[in-house]
Amino acid sequence: KQEVTQIPAALSVPEGENLVLNCSFTDSAIYNLQWFRQDPGKGLTSLLLIQSSQREQTSGRLNASLDKSSGRSTLYIAASQPGDSATYLCAVPVGYKLSFGAGTTVTVRA
Amino acid sequence: EAGVAQSPRYKIIEKRQSVAFWCNPISGHATLYWYQQILGQGPKLLIQFQNNGVVDDSQLPKDRFSAERLKGVDSTLKIQPAKLEDSAVYLCASSQTEQGNEQYFGPGTRLTVT
Repeated sequence: KQEVTQIPAALSVPEGENLVLNCSFTDSAIYNLQWFRQDPGKGLTSLLLIQSSQREQTSGRLNASLDKSSGRSTLYIAASQPGDSATYLCAVPVGYKLSFGAGTTVTVRA
Repeated sequence: EAGVAQSPRYKIIEKRQSVAFWCNPISGHATLYWYQQILGQGPKLLIQFQNNGVVDDSQLPKDRFSAERLKGVDSTLKIQPAKLEDSAVYLCASSQTEQGNEQYFGPGTRLTVT
């Protein structure tokens, strides 16, 4: 059974600091891994999707790495801004459905 | 390209009442998912449709929840009767195919059961 874990559950940093968010999964046989952002009470916005054949994916200030053998993915957000405050979730497909971590709630202090 | 649409955005009901949520997926997406997200947790799949057929409803509490996707496009999720523990955000998502494809999520419906 695939289990997805995100630690820590919450993180608070001053503006400008780089953010490092961790995601671990127990079954390394994955098709891809997806990172989402969720604002309070809102839906999920897809940030990055890394295919199993890739080691990393970049979009603007965001960079996600994937190490299947160790069952880990890391999302880096460079030069954090208050607008980056949100909950970040990672998810991996289990067959056709996504198995999610509980998320890391990030607060960027101005 | 228009995203996944959901309505209503918010709903407050009393326990034992009924409620229905609506979802319109991205045009051309054959697969539609309903997820339940309880506060502080990741979303959990309730039901998945491939066109208008159910692929997986193993996590759907069928004594009170029902869902349909007529004509393979829009979908409705109904709860009758609601319980306090049904308070959650209900997320609809769609993808082009079943397995391994990127899922796109709607804004969600926040349900509060009092």
